[in-house]
Order: sequence, then structure tokens, then C-alpha cells
Amino acid sequence: GDSVTQMEGPVTLSEEAFLTINCTYTATGYPSLFWYVQYPGEGLQLLLKATKADDKGSNKGFEATYRKETTSFHLEKGSVQVSDSAVYFCALSDPGTPLVFGKGTRLSVIA
Amino acid sequence: DAGVIQSPRHEVTEMGQEVTLRCKPISGHDYLFWYRQTMMRGLELLIYFNNNVPIDDSGMPEDRFSAKMPNASFSTLKIQPSEPRDSAVYFCASSLSDEGAWGETQYFGPGTRLLVL
Repeated sequence: GDSVTQMEGPVTLSEEAFLTINCTYTATGYPSLFWYVQYPGEGLQLLLKATKADDKGSNKGFEATYRKETTSFHLEKGSVQVSDSAVYFCALSDPGTPLVFGKGTRLSVIA
Repeated sequence: DAGVIQSPRHEVTEMGQEVTLRCKPISGHDYLFWYRQTMMRGLELLIYFNNNVPIDDSGMPEDRFSAKMPNASFSTLKIQPSEPRDSAVYFCASSLSDEGAWGETQYFGPGTRLLVL
């Protein structure tokens, strides 16, 4: 079945550091790919998405590119802020099936 | 729009009691999902509905759990009897299907934090 594997956390970075959170997937079809973010005490919210190969999703300085050849959708941000501290979930949606989430990666950014 | 609304936000109960969690999806959305989140197991999909009809409840852990959606604007998740291992954060999410898609972008509520003593 479909699955998402993302890097284990927690990840701790200093403010203004470069962030990469790796995500790879396995899917039977041609899925859409997502990054969701969960801030402390809140539900998940969509951060960005990409629906076809080579698409780049971007939002709030975060970017991720849909790489079909490597089945990856790595999340990047050039300069993280303390306010980016959260748990980040990679997810995929194969048409006709529910969203499949990775286990989440906790990011802590220290000033 | 108010977003997905869940109640209560926190619930503390004793083992053996019945617990009912409530969800109001975003108006017009046709999919509704119930998730459970724990440190050990992460985010688990319990059940989802399309147009008020349960589509897949294979994630419901056991017969003590049941979910209903009597109309497009309301759903409940009930645990009877509750056990300490049911302690978790329960999220409701909704989405809107559109042409060629399945309703991929889900909007989550703030969750209900359940503690069963």
C-alpha cells in the first residue's frame, strides 16, 4: 500500500539556519503530495502541496519539489525562525484513497 | 468561515465511562474524517464519511468506538466504555471534493484532548 517515510526528529536548529526535512513515498498511482504543519496545541494545517512531477509547492518561505524519479518531496526553508517550531507531516493522496501521513518531524528553532 | 469546530476541547473521565466527541465540519464540505494522535502511534485515521455516509471504518480500534454523521453539519465519535489506553488527542477534519480530485486538502479542527483515568 501507499506509504510515506520522513526523517526522524527531533530537529533542533538555530534561528536563520537552513532547514531540510526529507520525505520519500511509495504509491501505486500518481499521487498528490503535501506538507502539513502542526503548531503546539493546534490541529494540522496545510503548508504546501504539489500535484504533479516537477511542481514546486511554496508557502511562508517553505518549498518542496515533487520529484517523481526519486519519489521524494523534501521540505526546505532558507532561514528558519523561532515561530517555525512545530511538527511537520509529509503526506500523499492517491486518487480515491485517504491521505496517508508520515509520522511527523518535530522542529525546534532556538534563538 | 469558522473552520472545523470540535467540542469539548478537553475531556477527563474515568475508565468505564462513555465519552462523546463532537465535530462540526466546514459548511459545504462533503468529506469528514476522524483521527487519533498519540506519541506512540502518531496520527491514525479512524473513520471517514462522504456525504454523511461512512466509507471506511477499518481504522476504528474496536467495537467500543462508534461514529455517526446524522447530517452534513454534525458528527460524533463515541467511546463506550472508555479505557486508559484511549487517552489521546482526537481530531476531526473536513474537505471538499472537486472535479478529478478526492478532497485532498483537509482542514483540521483544534482537537479534543482526552484523558481516561
